[in-house]
Amino acid sequence: EVQLAESGGGLVQPGGSLRLSCAASGFAFSSYAMSWVRQAPGKGLEWVSAISDSGGATYYAGSVKGRFTISRDNSKNTVYLQMTSLRAEDTAVYYCASGRIPAPLYNWFDPWGQGTLVTVSS
Amino acid sequence: EIVLTQSPGTLSLSPGERATLSCRASQSVSSSYLAWYQQKPGQAPRLLIYGASSRATGIPDRFSGSGSGTDFTLTINRLEPEDFAVYYCQQYGSSEYTFGQGTKLEIK
Repeated sequence: EVQLAESGGGLVQPGGSLRLSCAASGFAFSSYAMSWVRQAPGKGLEWVSAISDSGGATYYAGSVKGRFTISRDNSKNTVYLQMTSLRAEDTAVYYCASGRIPAPLYNWFDPWGQGTLVTVSS
Repeated sequence: EIVLTQSPGTLSLSPGERATLSCRASQSVSSSYLAWYQQKPGQAPRLLIYGASSRATGIPDRFSGSGSGTDFTLTINRLEPEDFAVYYCQQYGSSEYTFGQGTKLEIK
């Protein structure tokens, strides 16, 4: 069964850091790009970041560029999102999602994980 | 950044009816790189359509997508009770992916 499982969410103070993980199973993880997408409470979807199959190419939304870093470990079938300088507006459920081609761009997302909640508050 | 505007914001229909959801882009979407997702409360989004008109694996044929350039449509024929949810379009033809704000399909 194809599965993505996020972890690492929680409550963090403004200015703090957090690392999210997404463990993949049931498909050839190292052959596909991966992305993170977030959803603020009661709001729509916002793409955050993407990484190529090898990890050699990464892309970020303007709202997180310079603060978030995406990476992956294909030996562990896991993608990460390191978040620093967190702000209240980063509060959201963070989903990882698999692309359908190796390149980080020109990808639609399938499947998605169930998400992990990040709350930035003092 | 390509801005996607979905309409209507909320659509109230009865089971058995046809739903027509619109997604308009602020500039042309390359090669019809447009997808549609369904999201139910408390669940992750689910891919329905990619490439503007290709159905994802396991998606019933009552779901269909059409359009090109800046205007795209998701049509759901013969609505089933499980189809009432929020629907998002997404463009993936530029270096910064964007989503529409969503259309809520509710039972009338």
